[in-house]
Amino acid sequence: DSGVTQTPKHLITATGQRVTLRCSPRSGDLSVYWYQQSLDQGLQFLIQYYNGEERAKGNILERFSAQQFPDLHSELNLSSLELGDSALYFCASSRSGQMNTEAFFGQGTRLTVV
Amino acid sequence: QQQVKQSPQSLIVQKGGISIINCAYENTAFDYFPWYQQFPGKGPALLIAIRPDVSEKKEGRFTISFNKSAKQFSLHIMDSQPGDSATYFCAASSGGSQGNLIFGKGTKLSVKP
Repeated sequence: DSGVTQTPKHLITATGQRVTLRCSPRSGDLSVYWYQQSLDQGLQFLIQYYNGEERAKGNILERFSAQQFPDLHSELNLSSLELGDSALYFCASSRSGQMNTEAFFGQGTRLTVV
Repeated sequence: QQQVKQSPQSLIVQKGGISIINCAYENTAFDYFPWYQQFPGKGPALLIAIRPDVSEKKEGRFTISFNKSAKQFSLHIMDSQPGDSATYFCAASSGGSQGNLIFGKGTKLSVKP
């Protein structure tokens, strides 16, 4: 167990809908990172938050947004969902704001858009 | 320049054999090279990591070899076991506010009994 908690584990929704994925980082970790894993694209970095502030942005679509709350948990919001958004979404956390330190991943949320 | 190229895509090894997975990178700013192990339906789990100031790091049956001049690093799994069957990802990152983990495409390892 990495100590990073993600909910829900599975999510099935229809195209055009909006969903929210939740992540609780390990105790003491200030950074949260979101990754998307699909069969053809592998693990793709989406966005990072550090202590409540957006720190870095990767290949995140405009339909997607995230935030980190004062208690350091983070939410990834996906809207106007398309079939191609079906993937595993992982969050990871680390102590510092920099990714060149140990980062631990949660178990992921499997999103299926039908 | 941000890519990390991983090979092979899949690997079959007999129990007790050595599994070797290779990765190459271009960005000389990378200064942290972790390997992650992922079982089906689970999140990637940090296995072992190395920084460019050392050429080798060993933890149990897992060893990372690092060649800075060639910009390559590899994972060696000694005495491979069926329980090691998983997908392995190499990754690289640099410090700074824009550093994030860049992952290889993964290697699916099957260890036959």
